[in-house]
Amino acid sequence: QVQLLQSAAELKKPGASVMVSCKVSGFNLSTYSVTWLRQAPGQGLEWLGWISTYDGDTKYAENRQDRVTLTTDTSTNTAYMELKSLTSDDSAVYYCARARGSALTYYLDYWGQGTLVTVSS
Amino acid sequence: DIQMTQSPSTLSASIGDRVTITCRTSQRISTWLAWYQQKPGKAPKLLIQKTSKLESGVPSRFIGRGSSTEFTLTISNVQPEDFATYYCQQFSSYPITFGPGTRLEIQ
Repeated sequence: QVQLLQSAAELKKPGASVMVSCKVSGFNLSTYSVTWLRQAPGQGLEWLGWISTYDGDTKYAENRQDRVTLTTDTSTNTAYMELKSLTSDDSAVYYCARARGSALTYYLDYWGQGTLVTVSS
Repeated sequence: DIQMTQSPSTLSASIGDRVTITCRTSQRISTWLAWYQQKPGKAPKLLIQKTSKLESGVPSRFIGRGSSTEFTLTISNVQPEDFATYYCQQFSSYPITFGPGTRLEIQ
């Protein structure tokens, strides 16, 4: 049974960093890519980036690439998303999802439950 | 990036109705389109990929059609569990992009 289990909600101050984890089960992280997205309150879905554990390749949204870092640990089947220099605009639910399709064009067949990140002083 | 639009933004329906959501793309994407359903407080759930291929377990009342730049998701015989927000997503070119969503509400 495929599952993606994300870390708990976070409350951070402006300027801080946050790391969200996504532990997968039911499949091997080395055989699928993982995408990260976020959803601000009442808003739509925003793609943040993609990571392939097969070759370590990463892609980031152009307007986020200086602040987002995606990594994986295949020994624990866990993916990580770090976001630096947080502002209140970064307050959102962050999702990891398994990517199906070709390297850069894919749909998302399984999702984590989401991690609420709140940025507030 | 490929821009996505959805119409309507909100749709009111009664149980048993047939409803259609339209998704348009700014460039031709063949049939590289997926649909997701999201309920409040939950992650999106994949319903359909490659325009019309239902995921396992998705009821057959969900029907996806279209090609190129115009796509539809039709729900025939709307059930109580179908009231949610629906998103389309293109996976024809990098980066993937999503529509703004259509909220299906009870009339």
